[in-house]
Amino acid sequence: DAGVIQSPRHEVTEMGQEVTLRCKPISGHNSLFWYRQTMMRGLELLIYFNNNVPIDDSGMPEDRFSAKMPNASFSTLKIQPSEPRDSAVYFCASSAQGSQPQHFGDGTRLSIL
Amino acid sequence: AQSVSQHNHHVILSEAASLELGCNYSYGGTVNLFWYVQYPGQHLQLLLKYFSGDPLVKGIKGFEAEFIKSKFSFNLRKPSVQWSDTAEYFCAVNGGGSNYKLTFGKGTLLTVNP
Repeated sequence: DAGVIQSPRHEVTEMGQEVTLRCKPISGHNSLFWYRQTMMRGLELLIYFNNNVPIDDSGMPEDRFSAKMPNASFSTLKIQPSEPRDSAVYFCASSAQGSQPQHFGDGTRLSIL
Repeated sequence: AQSVSQHNHHVILSEAASLELGCNYSYGGTVNLFWYVQYPGQHLQLLLKYFSGDPLVKGIKGFEAEFIKSKFSFNLRKPSVQWSDTAEYFCAVNGGGSNYKLTFGKGTLLTVNP
C-alpha cells in the first residue's frame, strides 16, 4: 500500500524565496496534518485538516506560512518569504476518521540559507 | 489543553538490558495513547496504540506499554533491547471522539551500545 507521499525530500533555497511542500495522504484518510520537527522544539503540529477543511491552524507560526487542501488527495504547505529559522524537517501525516493512528510521510528536509 | 511529558531526554543502554521509558499525559477526558519510533533519518512509525480494553498493549518488535489511568501514564517497555532499537521514541496522546489533535512528547533518544 502506498503510504503518505511527500515531495520534495530535500529543499535548499535562499532566504526570501517561496517554498512549497507537497503531500499526498493515504487514500481514504480524511484527516491530514502538517508537523515541523526541529532539535530545539521537537515535533510541533502546524495545522490539521478534516475533510479538506482546516480545523486547527493555531500552530502555524506566522502569516508567512499557509496551507491548503484543495481536494482529498493533495495538500500544500507554503512559506513566503522563507527565513533561515524555517529550516526544519516538515512531516505530513494522515489518518482515517476518528482517533485513528496517524501515518507519517518521509518528510521534507528544508534548509533556508 | 493536552500535554505529554517524557521524563528522559536520552537513555543509554547495553544490548540485552531492559528498557522502560516514561510517559505522562494530562487530559481530562477519554484518551487514545500512542508510541511512535523514529529511526535515524526516517519518518515516525507507529509502535503501538491504546484505545480501550486491556491496559497492557503489545506492539511490534517486542515492545509493550501499560496504560495506568490513575497515574495518567503510558510507559513503554521492552525486556531486552537490541542495537537496532537505537532511535528516538515519542509518546503521543489524542482525545477520543471528535478531537483529532495528536499531542507529542519531546521524545526520548535511546542509544543501545553493542
